[in-house]
Amino acid sequence: AQKVTQAQTEISVVEKEDVTLDCVYETRDTTYYLFWYKQPPSGELVFLIRRNSFDEQNEISGRYSWNFQKSTSSFNFTITASQVVDSAVYFCALSEAIGAGGTSYGKLTFGQGTILTVHP
Amino acid sequence: EAGVTQFPSHSVIEKGQTVTLRCDPISGHDNLYWYRRVMGKEIKFLLHFVKESKQDESGMPNNRFLAERTGGTYSTLKVQPAELEDSGVYFCASSQEGLLMNTEAFFGQGTRLTVV
Repeated sequence: AQKVTQAQTEISVVEKEDVTLDCVYETRDTTYYLFWYKQPPSGELVFLIRRNSFDEQNEISGRYSWNFQKSTSSFNFTITASQVVDSAVYFCALSEAIGAGGTSYGKLTFGQGTILTVHP
Repeated sequence: EAGVTQFPSHSVIEKGQTVTLRCDPISGHDNLYWYRRVMGKEIKFLLHFVKESKQDESGMPNNRFLAERTGGTYSTLKVQPAELEDSGVYFCASSQEGLLMNTEAFFGQGTRLTVV
């Protein structure tokens, strides 16, 4: 069975601080996908990143960066120089690979989410 | 391009009543998923449609829940009769299917269901 753990329930930081959201996963699959979603106050889940299990390269997108470490089954998310607009609930998720050659992802298993509050 | 749309955004019903939630996926997306988040817990998978067919309904909690996707377009999720523990936020998501790594799942804003 797949499982995703986000141990940090709530994080509070002051603007311009860096913050790291932790995500640890469990799966027996050798091919899988990892995701991060952001849920702003408006409620919808906004896709941030997808990473497949064969690609351990870290990724940076503006102030966002992701650190994928298969050895520790972790996929942590760092926001550099946080801003008030980053305040949201952040979800880490895991998906099995399905389809021919594991080319598609299936249903998502989510963590419980981390509430991030950035104060001015 | 319109995103995933869910109706209603909020619903308050009494225990024992029936409620129908609707999801309009992004046009052309064959995959449609329903998820639910109950009381601050994790978001849990309910079921997955590929076009009009149920691909996986392993997450449906019980037979009080009925999902349909007639014609492979919009989907409805009916809860009949509703119980207190059904309260939560119901999310719908859609994605395209492709030979290569497909696009991510786009989520709607959710329907907040409160059963009193």
